Amino acid sequence: QQPVQSPQAVILREGEDAVINCSSSKALYSVHWYRQKHGEAPVFLMILLKGGEQKGHEKISASFNEKKQQSSLYLTASQLSYSGTYFCGTEGGYNKLIFGAGTRLAVHP
Amino acid sequence: GAVVSQHPSRVICKSGTSVKIECRSLDFQATTMFWYRQFPKQSLMLMATSNEGSKATYEQGVEKDKFLINHASLTLSTLTVTSAHPEDSSFYICSASQLAGGGETQYFGPGTRLLVL
Repeated sequence: QQPVQSPQAVILREGEDAVINCSSSKALYSVHWYRQKHGEAPVFLMILLKGGEQKGHEKISASFNEKKQQSSLYLTASQLSYSGTYFCGTEGGYNKLIFGAGTRLAVHP
Repeated sequence: GAVVSQHPSRVICKSGTSVKIECRSLDFQATTMFWYRQFPKQSLMLMATSNEGSKATYEQGVEKDKFLINHASLTLSTLTVTSAHPEDSSFYICSASQLAGGGETQYFGPGTRLLVL
C-alpha cells in the first residue's frame, strides 16, 4: 500500500526550513528517502531502519518512528539546490519499494 | 560508488516496433534490479523485479508479454518494450539494489525517455 506524503508541495525562500512527512498504514521496518530533480532519476538520500533512529546528511536529516509508522525529513536552512521532488519509499516485500506520491519542493532566492 | 547506467537515454520509435533498454550496475553486483515507469509529475510505478538467472516478477496489471525483461548477469538487466504504441510513451527508470546503510538500498539509473509515434 502506497505511503502517504505531506505536504504535496512546499515553497521556500533560501534559508528557510521545511518538514516532509511520510506515513504508512502498515508496520514499517525501514524508510528510504530520495530526491528527484526535473527530468532526472531519483537520487538516494538516506535509509532509516527500525529503532526510531535519526540520520543526518549535511543539512538534511530524518527521523523514523516505527510505532507511529511514520518518518519525517527535515530540511534546514534550505539552499536552491534542494529544489526537487522528494519521495519516501517503504518496503513492499522481496526488497521492493513502494513510493509515496512525492512532495514538490521549490526554493527561491 | 553505486553507479547505475541506462541506455539509451532517449528513444523515439514508430508504433509497432520494439525497443530495448539496458540497465547496468557499473561498480557493484546487484542482488536485484527493478524497472519503474513514471508519468509526468507522478510517482514511480514499479513494473517488475528482476533477479539474475530467474524469471522476472511482474506487478499486477503489467503485461509480461509486452514488457520483456532479461537479467543476463549480476550487472545487466534489459527491458524490451514489444510492439510499442503511443500509450507506452513514458520515462522508464531502472534501479539496482545493494546492501548499504544496514538495509537494501536501491540506486537508480538516469532513466530512458521513450516516445512512440
